[in-house]
Amino acid sequence: QKEVEQNSGPLSVPEGAIASLNCTYSDRGSQSFFWYRQYSGKSPELIMFIYSNGDKEDGRFTAQLNKASQYVSLLIRDSQPSDSATYLCAVISGTYKYIFGTGTRLKVLA
Amino acid sequence: DGGITQSPKYLFRKEGQNVTLSCEQNLNHDAMYWYRQDPGQGLRLIYYSQIVNDFQKGDIAEGYSVSREKKESFPLTVTSAQKNPTAFYLCASSILYSGRDTGELFFGEGSRLTVL
Repeated sequence: QKEVEQNSGPLSVPEGAIASLNCTYSDRGSQSFFWYRQYSGKSPELIMFIYSNGDKEDGRFTAQLNKASQYVSLLIRDSQPSDSATYLCAVISGTYKYIFGTGTRLKVLA
Repeated sequence: DGGITQSPKYLFRKEGQNVTLSCEQNLNHDAMYWYRQDPGQGLRLIYYSQIVNDFQKGDIAEGYSVSREKKESFPLTVTSAQKNPTAFYLCASSILYSGRDTGELFFGEGSRLTVL
């Protein structure tokens, strides 16, 4: 069974700090990696996607991928209370299957 | 606007009843998916479809059924055989898998089913 693992949290950071969210995956063949943000009671929304090793930056968000270590992370700079949500890591395994981690709950303290 | 529409948003079911959740997309996506989410849990795949008139079981298909008669529509029926159906149900769509350039899943707003 292919898996995606995340620490469930909650991860608490003060406003303005950097939040670091981590994810490991078991399928070495995975090529596409996604971070979704999910507010309580709402559906997930895409924050970042990354395909290549290294860093990808988009505004306050940076995704980092290390395929050798099977590790993908999301950094949120200048964290805001509105960033408080559950962050889901997802990978594509095989030709159709998006596999999701259980999510990390982030709390940004004002 | 392009997107995915799920209905109803909230649904209550008595034990022994079948209920059908609607999912319609106008993104012209070939692939459609149904996920179930329980409190504090990730998304678990129920069924997926990559083409009209064809669909495949996911990890937790027992007690569910689907149809794909039109590209735009992928309804999910929660049957009385599903022993613990209370959950948040999410419909999603995507382009067909195309290697590393495969895009993300687009989600509907979800349907929350409660069994009374």
